[in-house]
Amino acid sequence: SYELTQPPSVSVSPGQTARITCSGDSLPHIFCSWYQQRPGQSPVLVIYQETKRPSGIPERFSGSISGNTVTLTISGAQALDEADYYCQVWDNNTVIFGGGTRLTVL
Amino acid sequence: VHLVESGGGLVKPGRSLRLSCSTSGFTFGDHGMSWFRQAPGKGLEWVGFIRSQGYGATTYYAASLEGRFVISRDDFKGIAYLQMNSLKIEDTALYYCSSGESGDPFWLDYWGQGTLVTVSS
Repeated sequence: SYELTQPPSVSVSPGQTARITCSGDSLPHIFCSWYQQRPGQSPVLVIYQETKRPSGIPERFSGSISGNTVTLTISGAQALDEADYYCQVWDNNTVIFGGGTRLTVL
Repeated sequence: VHLVESGGGLVKPGRSLRLSCSTSGFTFGDHGMSWFRQAPGKGLEWVGFIRSQGYGATTYYAASLEGRFVISRDDFKGIAYLQMNSLKIEDTALYYCSSGESGDPFWLDYWGQGTLVTVSS
């Protein structure tokens, strides 16, 4: 079955840039979105269509795509950005999530 | 936009349970509705999706559910339902409903707070 691959964890110091990747064979051809999930909270959409940011999401969140890898970049990461991040696609009438990346900011 | 799940609880294996997702703040009839779940300490898992009536209210489900779950919608009440049958211990999870502005779930703008389902004897 189709899979999206994310690193299990990423760690940065406050103020540094965090980059979280998501790889999948079909990614150049389908929309990919990113969600932030803080502990005990519901997911929040932070990026859609690889590079677009919903209203209310800080500008430090950005997305990019290169080949079959999409990247979520958090510039100047803050303690409140500590969360799990998931990439997601809708492909062949199925929603697929990456396994999630735990971002630690310390 | 506000989504509120309800109907979760403790249920024995093999039994059924129906979850509800009550909505407000948007035109429910124009939106597809999705259900997701998250087992304790695990990642997000898609359960299924129902299109709007304008697109035939077509439903799609995760293959892993083996046809045990059914999604429906009541556009008059603005509620989406998840009927869960033949429940298994591994169905224990926090269940979320979700929707978005992309029609099909290319992205999901709106999420509820979730309702906990525990399957145990």
